[in-house]
Amino acid sequence: QKEVEQDPGPLSVPEGAIVSLNCTYSNSAFQYFMWYRQYSRKGPELLMYTYSSGNKEDGRFTAQVDKSSKYISLFIRDSQPSDSATYLCAMSRSSNDYKLSFGAGTTVTVRA
Amino acid sequence: GAGVSQSPSNKVTEKGKDVELRCDPISGHTALYWYRQSLGQGLEFLIYFQGNSAPDKSGLPSDRFSAERTGGSVSTLTIQRTQQEDSAVYLCASSTLRSGGYTGELFFGEGSRLTVL
Repeated sequence: QKEVEQDPGPLSVPEGAIVSLNCTYSNSAFQYFMWYRQYSRKGPELLMYTYSSGNKEDGRFTAQVDKSSKYISLFIRDSQPSDSATYLCAMSRSSNDYKLSFGAGTTVTVRA
Repeated sequence: GAGVSQSPSNKVTEKGKDVELRCDPISGHTALYWYRQSLGQGLEFLIYFQGNSAPDKSGLPSDRFSAERTGGSVSTLTIQRTQQEDSAVYLCASSTLRSGGYTGELFFGEGSRLTVL
């Protein structure tokens, strides 16, 4: 069993729809939870991070962490074609933990 | 440029040949990482450098893989006697350790896409 599980999709939605992405994990030591966005043929870039349980909002993006269920989510509201990318969740045990554990990534296409 | 630079961007090689992949991190970033990304797989951690030393090489898949970093800057990942299963995108990332605050953001290069025939 992988440490971090993420449905690879692909996910295709019409412009303006809400995109819902999620990951589950098995290591209860994880404290920091991140979402990276990766455009085709590019390197991943950090989108959002959350510490411990709770919600965090940044513009059209909302990240949620439920440590009791070992489940994290990313919601994209009012999705745009420019949001078409692969979204990878990542986790670490501490703020100085260099070894991030990544999910496989979910490929999202937003249709105009 | 200001970002992480990797070369070559694409490399096609024959099984059994050696390859070298280069990473030039963001200036001033003390930490450097190599990850491997295969189709349908998450990013697989290979090795981590702090300065020129590699405290964690646990992710290197076999002794055919090695990496070095010189001058606290450029790093080279070498794969000897390449095999078809080595085909993947090799991503380099760098980061800086800050006092206080979250330090987990990695800045990735665009990767070196390796194809072993």
